[in-house]
Amino acid sequence: AQSVTQLGSHVSVSEGALVLLRCNYSSSVPPYLFWYVQYPNQGLQLLLKYTSAATLVKGINGFEAEFKKSETSFHLTKPSAHMSDAAEYFCAVSVYNFNKFYFGSGTKLNVKP
Amino acid sequence: EAGVTQFPSHSVIEKGQTVTLRCDPISGHDNLYWYRRVMGKEIKFLLHFVKESKQDESGMPNNRFLAERTGGTYSTLKVQPAELEDSGVYFCASSQVSGGVQNEQFFGPGTRLTVL
Repeated sequence: AQSVTQLGSHVSVSEGALVLLRCNYSSSVPPYLFWYVQYPNQGLQLLLKYTSAATLVKGINGFEAEFKKSETSFHLTKPSAHMSDAAEYFCAVSVYNFNKFYFGSGTKLNVKP
Repeated sequence: EAGVTQFPSHSVIEKGQTVTLRCDPISGHDNLYWYRRVMGKEIKFLLHFVKESKQDESGMPNNRFLAERTGGTYSTLKVQPAELEDSGVYFCASSQVSGGVQNEQFFGPGTRLTVL
């Protein structure tokens, strides 16, 4: 069975500080991993995805994530937070092409001026 | 290119009533998915269409939920009769079939359903 755990339902950082959002997954087969972001009143937007190529994945808006099989983790990072990064972030896993996603419970990122 | 659209954006109904949610996927996307998020918890899978066929409906909560995708274009999700625990945000997503590569799912803005 597949599952995702996102540690911290709320994360607060200062503008310019490092952003680190944690995601651990459980999967019995090699996973595909995704990070999505949801801004208020909008749908989920893909930030980045891991599909068994490079373990360090770069996404949009300066975000990146590293797949660590030994730690079953796929943490999302950004070196310098911007006010516009304030949103809710979701980690998701799937195991086959076009298969359903299993999502974590989301992390709300607050960026303080 | 238009994204995934959902209608209505909000719906408030009373327990026992019927509600129908609609999703229009991105044109040309054969895969259509329904998900639901209840009270700030995780987004959970409901079902998956490939064109007009139900590929996986393992996440449908019970037989009060009926999803259709006639003609393989838009989809509807009907809840009849609605119960309090059906409240939440219902998301629709679509993806295309392309060379066996895991493609992202494009999500709509969701329909917020409140059952009173």
